[in-house]
This record gives sequence, C-alpha cells and structure tokens, in this order.
Amino acid sequence: AQKITQTQPGMFVQEKEAVTLDCTYDTSDQSYGLFWYKQPSSGEMIFLIYQGSYDEQNATEGRYSLNFQKARKSANLVISASQLGDSAMYFCAMRDPPRGDKIIFGKGTRLHILP
Amino acid sequence: DAGVIQSPRHEVTEMGQEVTLRCKLISGHNSLFWYRQTMMRGLELLIYFNNNVPIDDSGMPEDRFSAKMPNASFSTLKIQPSEPRDSAVYFCASSFLRAGANVLTFGAGSRLTVL
Repeated sequence: AQKITQTQPGMFVQEKEAVTLDCTYDTSDQSYGLFWYKQPSSGEMIFLIYQGSYDEQNATEGRYSLNFQKARKSANLVISASQLGDSAMYFCAMRDPPRGDKIIFGKGTRLHILP
Repeated sequence: DAGVIQSPRHEVTEMGQEVTLRCKLISGHNSLFWYRQTMMRGLELLIYFNNNVPIDDSGMPEDRFSAKMPNASFSTLKIQPSEPRDSAVYFCASSFLRAGANVLTFGAGSRLTVL
C-alpha cells in the first residue's frame, strides 16, 4: 500500500540557514509523483514543488528544491536561506497514477524559523 | 479565477444534526478530492472523483458520510448524523487530471465543530 512518512514532527532553525525536511515514501509502482505543500498558521494549503518519478533532474522552484533519491525512496524538501515567513506546517504527498491518481499526504513537519 | 470555493467556512452544530459541506471546483478541473484534517490523524483522504465519477471512497469513515458530484463544477460532503468526533477541518481540492503533475488547488477549508 502507499505510504508517506515524515519523521520530524517539529524543527527549529535559525533564520538564513538552510533547512531539510525529510520525506520517505513507499510504493510498488514505477510511475508516481511527489509534492510538497506548505500550510501557514492561517490554514490554507500552498503548493510548493513537484517531482515526477521519471524526472532525472531534481525539481527546483526558487528557494525550494526537492532532493529526490529514488533508490532510497526519499523526497526531501530543501529550503535555502530560510526566512521568518517560512514558519509553517509542511506536508509531503504522493500521487499514484496506477491507483487512479490517488493523492495521499504525510503527517507533516512543523517548521519554526527563529530570528 | 476565484479558486476552489468552500462553504461554510465555519459550522458549529449539535450532535445528531445533519451537516452539508459544499465545494465549487476551478473551471476546467476534472478531479475533486475531499480531505479531513485533525491534529491526531493529519490530512486524511476521504474520497476523490475523476470526471464526476467516484474513484475511491475507502477513506470515508463510515456510512454516516456521503459525497456527491451532481455536476462537473460542484460537490457536497454530507454527514448524517454528526458526532463530536467528526469535528475537523474539511478541505476540498481540485486539479486537472493529465499526464505528469496533477497539482491540487485547495479550498480554504470548512471548520466543523460538533458539540
């Protein structure tokens, strides 16, 4: 069965430092997609970045990059030069096309950026 | 583009009452997902539709929950009768299903409190 695991319930990071949020996944399918979403305290869900299982390059979007290690089934989010506004909950998610494009989420990591 | 619109934003009701949550998809999107978010269980996928057809409802907790898509742009999630353990934030999210990324756009959520 599909599974997404985020092992860090919470993290504290000094402003301007780089942050790595861990995500591992489990699927027996070859075709799948991985996402990261941000949820600030206001509650909305904001899409950050996407990586397809066949993409050879790691995805990047501004300060966000996805460290995709297919053999290890990990898809860590890297935030460079963290800012106070990065304080939020971060969710890793997986799309599984062979299973009808089901999209499931991990339990999330709460990131606190310290001034 | 007004985004995914959910109503009501907040609902407080008494145990045993019927609750109906509504969702309007983004025009042109053909996939619709309902999620429930609680502190204990995180973001749980309840049900999702592709082209108005329910694909997987295995996350619906029990028969008290039902979801419909009467047309391509609108969905409802109904709980009858409601119980205190149903208290949560309910999100709907829509996307355009195609090969590659299937990025979900979330609504603002409906916060349900059952007394």
